Amino acid sequence: EPEVTQTPSHQVTQMGQEVILRCVPISNHLYFYWYRQILGQKVEFLVSFYNNEISEKSEIFDDQFSVERPDGSNFTLKIRSTKLEDSAMYFCASSERSPPYEQYFGPGTRLTVT
Amino acid sequence: EDQVTQSPEALRLQEGESSSLNCSYTVSGLRGLFWYRQDPGKGPEFLFTLYSAGEEKEKERLKATLTKKESFLHITAPKPEDSATYLCAVLGSGGSNYKLTFGKGTLLTVNP
Repeated sequence: EPEVTQTPSHQVTQMGQEVILRCVPISNHLYFYWYRQILGQKVEFLVSFYNNEISEKSEIFDDQFSVERPDGSNFTLKIRSTKLEDSAMYFCASSERSPPYEQYFGPGTRLTVT
Repeated sequence: EDQVTQSPEALRLQEGESSSLNCSYTVSGLRGLFWYRQDPGKGPEFLFTLYSAGEEKEKERLKATLTKKESFLHITAPKPEDSATYLCAVLGSGGSNYKLTFGKGTLLTVNP
């Protein structure tokens, strides 16, 4: 069964460093998302991406964040200058059709900022 | 703003002991309500989508139902492998087209 994959599974970085989290969505999906989950808290929406542009972003997704689909298979989230509070599990999701069609999540990347 | 409240926060059952999890929601126009299962350290795994009050969906020992204010996830004769956190999420029509709003989840433990 097709699934969303994410790399790395765990990333440790120092405060102020740039990180890139990578995702390979399900191959025939057209809508892509990033969410994050701080330990013990709710899953929170960051951004949605369709047709090579951001379709919606949350207030969390400030100028330090950016997303890109550099080729036909990868979808990346870049954090330019990481802060301690960026430590969280980051989930990529994809959807075959526009909402309210279901979103399928990857296994996540655990980002630890020291 | 869309809001989702799940109860109880944690539920411990014996194998075979049926029960229900609750998801109460507030949205301006429900476009979809989603149930996910999340194992520790993993991503949410899609279970069901419900679109309108009165709708029901079933999968193995799980059955999801929807009213205008809440959804229930009924677990019949659970097994230890059903142990996980169950997440409820909503998609409303009040200004956001893509954002799922999640609840905190119910941690279900099924003892053999």
